[in-house]
This record gives sequence, C-alpha cells and structure tokens, in this order.
Amino acid sequence: AQSVSQHNHHVILSEAASLELGCNYSYGGTVNLFWYVQYPGQHLQLLLKYFSGDPLVKGIKGFEAEFIKSKFSFNLRKPSVQWSDTAEYFCAVNAGNYGQNFVFGPGTRLSVLP
Amino acid sequence: DAGVTQSPTHLIKTRGQQVTLRCSPKSGHDTVSWYQQALGQGPQFIFQYYEEEERQRGNFPDRFSGHQFPNYSSELNVNALLLGDSALYLCASSLGRGSTDTQYFGPGTRLTVL
Repeated sequence: AQSVSQHNHHVILSEAASLELGCNYSYGGTVNLFWYVQYPGQHLQLLLKYFSGDPLVKGIKGFEAEFIKSKFSFNLRKPSVQWSDTAEYFCAVNAGNYGQNFVFGPGTRLSVLP
Repeated sequence: DAGVTQSPTHLIKTRGQQVTLRCSPKSGHDTVSWYQQALGQGPQFIFQYYEEEERQRGNFPDRFSGHQFPNYSSELNVNALLLGDSALYLCASSLGRGSTDTQYFGPGTRLTVL
C-alpha cells in the first residue's frame, strides 16, 4: 500500500527565514502530487500540484515544490516566510493513472514567529 | 460561487448511536469524497461517490456508508459509533474522478463520541 511521510512534525521559524518541508512517498508507478495547507480555523486549501512536465512547480503565495522521482520526494519550499504562513501543511499523493485514491501525509505544523 | 459546504459543524453522540453528516459539493462538481481526520493526523480516505454510486473505498468498516443524491450532494452515515470515531470528517468535491482532478475541501464536521 502506498504511504506518505513528512519529515517534521513541527517547524518553528522566524519571519523572513527560508522554508523547506520534506515529503516522501512509497509508490513505484505514476503519481500525482499535491500540497495542501490548513490555516487555523479554516479548511484545507490547495497550495500546488504536480502531474507531469517541469518537476519544479509554483503555487500560490510564493510556494514552490520540486518533484525528484529518483528520491520519491516532493519537498515544499518558500524563500521567505511570513507570520501569515503559520498553518498545518499536508503532502498528498494520488497514485496511478485512473481514479482518485488520495493518501495524505501526517502533516507538518509550521509556526512563524513575528 | 459557493464552495463545499458541510453540516452540521459540530456533533456530539454517545457510543452505539448512529450519525448522518451532509455535504454539498462546489457548484458544477459531480464527485464527492469523504475523509476522516483524527486529531494530529492527516485525512484518511473513506470512500468516493460518483453518479450516485460508491466508486472507491478506503480501509473503513461497513459501519461507514454513504449516499449521493441526483443533485450531487452526499451523506455519510456511521452506525454503532465507537469512541475512536471521534474525528473531523471532511468532504471534498471535484469535477470528475480522474487522477489529475483537484479536490476541493469543505470545512468539516467535528464529531465527538462520548
């Protein structure tokens, strides 16, 4: 069965620091990759997604992620975080070419100190 | 354009009872998926409905059942509630159930089982 791991449970950064959140998945075939964000008291929102093509994808609010197939990774990055980026971040994988079978990672809580 | 809506927001039940949660998909969406998100964890896929039929199912017992109506709205039913069923139940909708179709999430229903 496919699984998704996220390297850090809780990350604490100061404003303007750079961010990288790790995500690894276990599945050998075609995958579609997503990062979702859950701000305090709000619902899950899509940050970015990768289906094919350029492995470096850009999302909303200055976030980007890089798909490295050989490492089964899809790490999320942001050059300079803001206090408003404080949230829970979830990596999700939808494996295969047909249907939707989303598997979410356990999440990483990001706290940005002003 | 209304997003995904869920009702009720919160619910408190006792062990052994039954519960029904409701979801209205984003306008124009025809596919509804349900997830269970336990505290501190990522969402876990329960099942997906398309054209009023269950199309995919995660690793959840038969106590969890659902329904999709002709207007694409959906219900999640849980019978014989257990303490471990306490969680945030998320509904997600998409246009189509292809592997690259993005899911949009609702705010969730917080179920507490006493």
